[in-house]
Amino acid sequence: AQRVTQPEKLLSVFKGAPVELKCNYSYSGSPELFWYVQYSRQRLQLLLRHISRESIKGFTADLNKGETSFHLKKPFAQEEDSAMYYCALSVERVGQKLVFGQGTRLTINP
Amino acid sequence: KAGVTQTPRYLIKTRGQQVTLSCSPISGHRSVSWYQQTPGQGLQFLFEYFSETQRNKGNFPGRFSGRQFSNSRSEMNVSTLELGDSALYLCASSSGQGAVGELFFGEGSRLTVL
Repeated sequence: AQRVTQPEKLLSVFKGAPVELKCNYSYSGSPELFWYVQYSRQRLQLLLRHISRESIKGFTADLNKGETSFHLKKPFAQEEDSAMYYCALSVERVGQKLVFGQGTRLTINP
Repeated sequence: KAGVTQTPRYLIKTRGQQVTLSCSPISGHRSVSWYQQTPGQGLQFLFEYFSETQRNKGNFPGRFSGRQFSNSRSEMNVSTLELGDSALYLCASSSGQGAVGELFFGEGSRLTVL
């Protein structure tokens, strides 16, 4: 079964502290994984994808096939990082079909 | 470039009625996907259209249907509405070629079924 699990519905950290949002997936094929973010009163938008291996807004995510995980990390949280974060898995080789996790609401406390 | 535009933004229907939602993708984008978002189930894929053809389909009953026009605009229709169809319906567009997973979302159409 194709599934994305984000075990934490809510995560609260202090400004300047490290952040890790967990994502685990279940997929028999070669996974393509993404993190989407929704800031308050804004649209859902792509934050980063594993294939790019890039850092966006200080966030990175490494695909660990052995642990079937794709955790999102940032060494020093900022207040503007407060948002809803969704991990997503592409499940079709052709076209756009994403399976989303339930999301984690991240709150950065001053 | 203008973003993805969805209309209407809000609507209220009663059980048994049908509803049509519209989505205008970003100019040049040929793929349009639809998602249903609810507090209980989260974001669930409905279907994707590319060049007027349904390319992928989710696990929703036949009451949910869609289409895409030659200008890439898309509509989705839900017939015989049920209370459980109350949700935020999100449309997303992409170029459709390469860039798997890079979706640009609209603000959504919030449907309330009474």
